[in-house]
Amino acid sequence: NAGVTQTPKFQVLKTGQSMTLQCAQDMNHNSMYWYRQDPGMGLRLIYYSASEGTTDKGEVPNGYNVSRLNKREFSLRLESAAPSQTSVYFCASSAVGPGEQFFGPGTRLTVL
Amino acid sequence: AQKITQTQPGMFVQEKEAVTLDCTYDTSDQSYGLFWYKQPSSGEMIFLIYQGSYDEQNATEGRYSLNFQKARKSANLVISASQLGDSAMYFCAMREGGGKLIFGQGTELSVKP
Repeated sequence: NAGVTQTPKFQVLKTGQSMTLQCAQDMNHNSMYWYRQDPGMGLRLIYYSASEGTTDKGEVPNGYNVSRLNKREFSLRLESAAPSQTSVYFCASSAVGPGEQFFGPGTRLTVL
Repeated sequence: AQKITQTQPGMFVQEKEAVTLDCTYDTSDQSYGLFWYKQPSSGEMIFLIYQGSYDEQNATEGRYSLNFQKARKSANLVISASQLGDSAMYFCAMREGGGKLIFGQGTELSVKP
């Protein structure tokens, strides 16, 4: 039981390059989330998927797209990376109703 | 708008003593959840404790307890008998509709030997 996994762990991009961050969970959770954490700050929600087949914008969606590929997988795409997107990205999942969100280990992204 | 406020950027505590980390929240919802997460220097997010808005008793998990004062909209984390391994960033968060979490800016706790 791996919980929430993310790939890659680290990535360096040049401005304008694109990439996809992968996230998968094996807990049969309906809901999945993408957050970013900038230095000295809490996490901010980028996009979320309340259930398979649905996605919605969070607090800071600009510059990102997401795909809920199936119940297990939720990917985050940067189409044209910018230095302002340098951050640590966390994927999380949760069951319906009260209870914790389970977080992946994070992806540290640097955009030069 | 829903908001979480943590007013202590950094805290120090002596090993084996108790410490309280402050968290206040703002919401117009009647049903909500409050969480505390720990983030050590390695970066992972570790769930500590949860309090539902309708829970009458304060939540406890081992050395962690949540001092929930609904009328004052506060959800302070109390760590008893601090250990060196408790040194980390601590985030308070509130769950809103759709299960999304809103996070505070965090408190960095340093435990002194």
